[in-house]
Amino acid sequence: DTGVSQDPRHKITKRGQNVTFRCDPISEHNRLYWYRQTLGQGPEFLTYFQNEAQLEKSRLLSDRFSAERPKGSFSTLEIQRTEQGDSAMYLCASSLEGGFGETQYFGPGTRLLVL
Amino acid sequence: AQSVTQLDSHVSVSEGTPVLLRCNYSSSYSPSLFWYVQHPNKGLQLLLKYTSAATLVKGINGFEAEFKKSETSFHLTKPSAHMSDAAEYFCVVSDRGVNQGGKLIFGQGTELSVKP
Repeated sequence: DTGVSQDPRHKITKRGQNVTFRCDPISEHNRLYWYRQTLGQGPEFLTYFQNEAQLEKSRLLSDRFSAERPKGSFSTLEIQRTEQGDSAMYLCASSLEGGFGETQYFGPGTRLLVL
Repeated sequence: AQSVTQLDSHVSVSEGTPVLLRCNYSSSYSPSLFWYVQHPNKGLQLLLKYTSAATLVKGINGFEAEFKKSETSFHLTKPSAHMSDAAEYFCVVSDRGVNQGGKLIFGQGTELSVKP
């Protein structure tokens, strides 16, 4: 399978703990996006990488959140001191810059539950 | 700023009858528009996209959408619903101009139910 993969698929943690999620994009895609989806809502943009550079961050991304994409391949999203309001599905998507009608392909998501 | 409004939070149809999911958009420039589908416990899948090549866009599984600039609409249709079409559907606009990528802005979603 050459699609976008995310790990873990599910994470349960206690409030105050740190969590880290991983996203592996489609291999030739140089753009990588993180979104968050809460129950009954559409996904909301969090941050975006072009190669290894983080080019845009949403104001939703508080200072407890950090994302990296070393070497322009996989990406990690870390949440420090988790809060119950962080409970959501975290989605990763990748795309190829300049592709006609540039399309973002989504991974299956990581579902986070903060107790 | 770009935005989309899905006019129905829930649509229910009988199997074999037409499907219409409504979406209006707002954009400062010629938009890239998409419809994505999300089945329970599965990832988002692209149904179709508008990138200015043609106003009537055909997608997978018999879905199509028509871009109407004068009405700022991008409604999704299918002539005959199938039970497997039951899912959440999202109308999406890119925050940049057509074919320029950018973050996606999602509507609130429309849940489609299909009755036997």
